[in-house]
Amino acid sequence: NAGVTQTPKFRILKIGQSMTLQCTQDMNHNYMYWYRQDPGMGLKLIYYSVGAGITDKGEVPNGYNVSRSTTEDFPLRLELAAPSQTSVYFCASRDPPSVNEQFFGPGTRLTVL
Amino acid sequence: DAKTTQPPSMDCAEGRAANLPCNHSTISGNEYVYWYRQIHSQGPQYIIHGLKNNETNEMASLIITEDRKSSTLILPHATLRDTAVYYCIVRALFGNEKLTFGTGTRLTIIP
Repeated sequence: NAGVTQTPKFRILKIGQSMTLQCTQDMNHNYMYWYRQDPGMGLKLIYYSVGAGITDKGEVPNGYNVSRSTTEDFPLRLELAAPSQTSVYFCASRDPPSVNEQFFGPGTRLTVL
Repeated sequence: DAKTTQPPSMDCAEGRAANLPCNHSTISGNEYVYWYRQIHSQGPQYIIHGLKNNETNEMASLIITEDRKSSTLILPHATLRDTAVYYCIVRALFGNEKLTFGTGTRLTIIP
């Protein structure tokens, strides 16, 4: 299993541009998550999904959108990039009703200039 | 979710046991203690979890005090590869999906 994969690894955006961060997992997990991590800080939950077609807001959803059309994929969309969205983005998945061991991807480092 | 308090940094000599403390004095009866670590900006990695009994797996041991207000993660024989930021997280098994990552403890293993 590849686990959780994320693309791209790095990206630089200009203010106002849009992009989609891709996340795919091959473990057939129903639950998937998007976090962001600012320098020197812990992770903050952006959005999560408990299954295909179901998404919900986390702690910091403003400026982002998600969709979940399949079990495997959970893309994160930035519509109008702002410098405040400069961060490292992590995708994660887990298999309920297990003990909440989340499996994380390698991250996408995004810079908005 | 209950708030946790961890020291910002710790050092440990290679080969010795690393003991990482965590205070969670407001923990509720249905909340578990989880530990994750993050090595050099990689994605966080699950280590161990527990409710009230001490737990051990191939990576670490978790000691939870009887009143459950604090816990200690023990890496029995620390290696250089254990250098990472360690996060102590408290949350219920079901319900709120948010894992609240604080700033953690930066553990440095000294050769």
